[in-house]
Amino acid sequence: GAVVSQHPSWVICKSGTSVKIECRSLDFQATTMFWYRQFPKQSLMLMATSNEGSKATYEQGVEKDKFLINHASLTLSTLTVTSAHPEDSSFYICSARGHPYEQYFGPGTRLTVT
Amino acid sequence: GENVEQHPSTLSVQEGDSAVIKCTYSDSASNYFPWYKQELGKRPQLIIDIRSNVGEKKDQRIAVTLNKTAKHFSLHITETQPEDSAVYFCVEVAQGGSEKLVFGKGTKLTVNP
Repeated sequence: GAVVSQHPSWVICKSGTSVKIECRSLDFQATTMFWYRQFPKQSLMLMATSNEGSKATYEQGVEKDKFLINHASLTLSTLTVTSAHPEDSSFYICSARGHPYEQYFGPGTRLTVT
Repeated sequence: GENVEQHPSTLSVQEGDSAVIKCTYSDSASNYFPWYKQELGKRPQLIIDIRSNVGEKKDQRIAVTLNKTAKHFSLHITETQPEDSAVYFCVEVAQGGSEKLVFGKGTKLTVNP
């Protein structure tokens, strides 16, 4: 149980375009999902907390207008990287919170902006 | 805010030796401390966790200790094997409603055969 999927697993896009990444909890409902970014050889950095039916809470330094998060259902959260630039190239990982504290991670999405 | 210091950043051991990774957290209200293992290009995998009402927890070759007074917690891996090679992250879970995870910077463990 407690499976989280992400789609796509990797994506290459051109600078200036937007990319949407989906995060799904397959066998449980998640009122809270989290989005992380991980640069090579670095730790996971929390970008935002996504709550079903309400606005996401962004961490300091993360531009909410650039990283749009939508959590429209209890099993789906999406992250849209708008007007992507090469510096946005990274590994994006989502997680869904179970009970009481455990978080289940998706497999990640490798974004490359050319 | 929450902050987790993790040491060492890299650790190389011979197969069969023990490995110890240490972390210090900042929020005295934190009461749950998971450890994650991440292989290259993969998702983090929970390997063990500890809650503040216990001082030690063991699962086969892996153990975690917690000293709430000093705000220290440590991961111990005994009889290391090459497949233990990965990056290990200690985590502090923020209190106050969000339960967001605050990751340490990670320790790259290499087990040499």
